[in-house]
Amino acid sequence: AQSVTQPDIHITVSEGASLELRCNYSYGATPYLFWYVQSPGQGLQLLLKYFSGDTLVQGIKGFEAEFKRSQSSFNLRKPSVHWSDAAEYFCAVSGGSNYKLTFGKGTLLTVNP
Amino acid sequence: DTAVSQTPKYLVTQMGNDKSIKCEQNLGHDTMYWYKQDSKKFLKIMFSYNNKELIINETVPNRFSPKSPDKAHLNLHINSLELGDSAVYFCASSQEGRAYEQYFGPGTRLTVT
Repeated sequence: AQSVTQPDIHITVSEGASLELRCNYSYGATPYLFWYVQSPGQGLQLLLKYFSGDTLVQGIKGFEAEFKRSQSSFNLRKPSVHWSDAAEYFCAVSGGSNYKLTFGKGTLLTVNP
Repeated sequence: DTAVSQTPKYLVTQMGNDKSIKCEQNLGHDTMYWYKQDSKKFLKIMFSYNNKELIINETVPNRFSPKSPDKAHLNLHINSLELGDSAVYFCASSQEGRAYEQYFGPGTRLTVT
């Protein structure tokens, strides 16, 4: 069965600092990997996705993520965080285009001014 | 125009009651989903419908019954509500073959007292 682990429940960074949110997955074959963001009181929005090819993927809002098969990881990064990035971030894995998404438990990002 | 909408946004009810949550998408998608997000923000899929047919039915009590009158609507009916049903319920939709790219509604916060 597929699963996702987000080791950090809550991360606090200062505005302008760099950010890395960790995600580890478990899946028997090549996974499809995603990052979603949930702003307070809102639904989830897709930030970026990885299917195959270049292991460094670019997403919206200046985010990027790197797929590392050897570490079963798909960490999300941003070079300079803005206050509006404060939200809950979810990593997700899928077995393919028609397979269900399995989400991690989320990482809450707080941005200090 | 709202892509995926849910009504109501908030629902407070007593144990034992029956309630429904409605979801509509105007994206022309073929597939719709219901997720439950518990108090710890854990997001878990409950159901998925493709062109009005049930394709994913996770381990959910029989008290929960999804209904899809057409492919733009997926409603969730809950019988005999229990305290543990308190959660935020999200509806989502996707194009067929792109289950990984889901568009989420704003959520319905259900509180059972």
